Amino acid sequence: DAGITQSPRHKVTETGTPVTLRCHQTENHRYMYWYRQDPGHGLRLIHYSYGVKDTDKGEVSDGYSVSRSKTEDFLLTLESATSSQTSVYFCAIRGTDYTFGSGTRLTVV
Amino acid sequence: AQKITQTQPGMFVQEKEAVTLDCTYDTSDPSYGLFWYKQPSSGEMIFLIYQGSYDQQNATEGRYSLNFQKARKSANLVISASQLGDSAMYFCAMREGIIQGAQKLVFGQGTRLTINP
Repeated sequence: DAGITQSPRHKVTETGTPVTLRCHQTENHRYMYWYRQDPGHGLRLIHYSYGVKDTDKGEVSDGYSVSRSKTEDFLLTLESATSSQTSVYFCAIRGTDYTFGSGTRLTVV
Repeated sequence: AQKITQTQPGMFVQEKEAVTLDCTYDTSDPSYGLFWYKQPSSGEMIFLIYQGSYDQQNATEGRYSLNFQKARKSANLVISASQLGDSAMYFCAMREGIIQGAQKLVFGQGTRLTINP
């Protein structure tokens, strides 16, 4: 058991609607990250957190916001989903190495 | 500027052969770490191997080894005696800095490896 779970695993949403993805960890790690994966780009960092209520932007943060009110939960919100945000989203935690969640496949139609 | 470059979008290898996946990186930080991850068709990210910039020896983990050439800024993954189950996407990634901090991972574009029977 990797100690990190993402929900939902799959989601289809309409353009313009808000969407929230959840990352939950049981490892009590301080650092958490949200990445998106697109063909030809590998994984790109959206936002990260270095503690409760402490977050910062990554490489591709436009259109996304995050919140971390508890150590174990890191939420990613698409404020108004667009088709360009169709992607696979990964959450990661950092211990001695980086452990990734199983991913959320989001489709914006 | 691209920090991690994987120049092989796809590779095809015969089963039982060794395979080398290329990765070059760019950093001015003297302290960094290099990672390789495997992503099978099921989608999960599986950690394979890690090399620190100050490590004297190349990292090895079972059939995986990392050919670390610091002067050339390359960190190639070598898989010995390839198996059908090695067919997957492989990502090289870098973490910069040793100071306690966010230490974000930066990824390359990936190489899709296909092992032929």
